[in-house]
Amino acid sequence: DIQMTQSPSSLSASVGDRVTITCRASQGISNSLAWYQQKPGKAPKLLLYAASRLESGVPSRFSGSGSGTDYTLTISSLQPEDFATYYCQQYYSTLLTFGGGTKVEIK
Amino acid sequence: EVQLVQSGAEVKKPGESLKISCKGSGYSFTSYWIGWVRQMPGKGLEWMGIIYPGDSDTRYSPSFQGQVTISADKSISTAYLQWSSLKASDTAMYYCARFLSVGAAVADLGYFDYWGQGTLVTVSS
Repeated sequence: DIQMTQSPSSLSASVGDRVTITCRASQGISNSLAWYQQKPGKAPKLLLYAASRLESGVPSRFSGSGSGTDYTLTISSLQPEDFATYYCQQYYSTLLTFGGGTKVEIK
Repeated sequence: EVQLVQSGAEVKKPGESLKISCKGSGYSFTSYWIGWVRQMPGKGLEWMGIIYPGDSDTRYSPSFQGQVTISADKSISTAYLQWSSLKASDTAMYYCARFLSVGAAVADLGYFDYWGQGTLVTVSS
């Protein structure tokens, strides 16, 4: 299995802050990575795929980067509606795996 | 508009059987894989398996192989997840989601672009 480790597991930030979440794979995944946002009581929502490609309709303040084993999700200016839990998911291996999640809370 | 609408919450006893559903609309149901994802209370996301409604080709995560059955009825654009004998540890939210396969040779490489609203399954004596 490819293990996906997200850090931090939670963070507190203010509106307008720049936020970075990291996802580390246990082996190289060649940019085969998606990011999701999940708000309490709601289904996950796709934000990015192929590590850096923004899903249609997702605000441009979300961006992704990385290569090999290390990937990041950046929110350039945190908005009130961005407080949520974020998950990464690798699709390099047919045993699809998600990271443990990063909860973004209001400071 | 792509929509996946799941069946309602269920409360069951250990040992009982259950089948939950996911109805797709707004796209060609037979042309995309559908996946199931489990989220246990307060926990993260786990991929369970996917099915291609066009020909019912099904792939399971090893963690769920033999524990659940995924099926689909393309005539009514509906996918299913079923258990023959529920356990308390099956208590979770279950999501269906449309799966975008990116592997030309390997279908089960991809990610989920549209999600259902979730079905909460509670198993308790």
